Amino acid sequence: GENVEQHPSTLSVQEGDSAVIKCTYSDSASNYFPWYKQELGKRPQLIIDIRSNVGEKKDQRIAVTLNKTAKHFSLHITETQPEDSAVYFCAARSISNSGYALNFGKGTSLLVTP
Amino acid sequence: DTGVSQDPRHKITKRGQNVTFRCDPISEHNRLYWYRQTLGQGPEFLTYFQNEAQLEKSRLLSDRFSAERPKGSFSTLEIQRTEQGDSAMYLCASSSRTSGVFETQYFGPGTRLLVL
Repeated sequence: GENVEQHPSTLSVQEGDSAVIKCTYSDSASNYFPWYKQELGKRPQLIIDIRSNVGEKKDQRIAVTLNKTAKHFSLHITETQPEDSAVYFCAARSISNSGYALNFGKGTSLLVTP
Repeated sequence: DTGVSQDPRHKITKRGQNVTFRCDPISEHNRLYWYRQTLGQGPEFLTYFQNEAQLEKSRLLSDRFSAERPKGSFSTLEIQRTEQGDSAMYLCASSSRTSGVFETQYFGPGTRLLVL
């Protein structure tokens, strides 16, 4: 099955700096890579996603890049703000599965200090 | 609130008891998923429904776990003879096939289970 590794597990940046979170996946058949943000005690919420036929996608301060050859994808947050503090999860979905299950990384706890 | 809802939000039970959780997906979402999340980990897939059909089950879903979606709308997840290792957040998500192959999964707030 699909295995998703995520690094780092914790990340602390100063407000205004950039944050980068990296993930690797094992199944070359994976074709969909969403990123979720989970604030303490709240539900995971999708912040951005990328399909396997796209190398990069940007939405305001958030961008995601995908390298299919190396089987890794990254989340970039620019001009970080304290409200960006949360746990971020990457995920991958493989069409090898019979359904649409997402395989998640273990998460990155991001702390943005003022 | 038109998002995914789950009930109860918290459940404390004694080892050996049975518990049942409910998930109400976003209206007209035909796909529904159950995940389990333990502290410091990402959500782990348990099972998935398309309409009322349970199409995929993870190896994490032991014989003590059963899920149903009888009318293709809400779903229930039952855990029989609970064990302390079942303590976790149980998340439900839903998506719509009409969104295409790359459909977004929307998560509910979860049910936090503590088995004493």
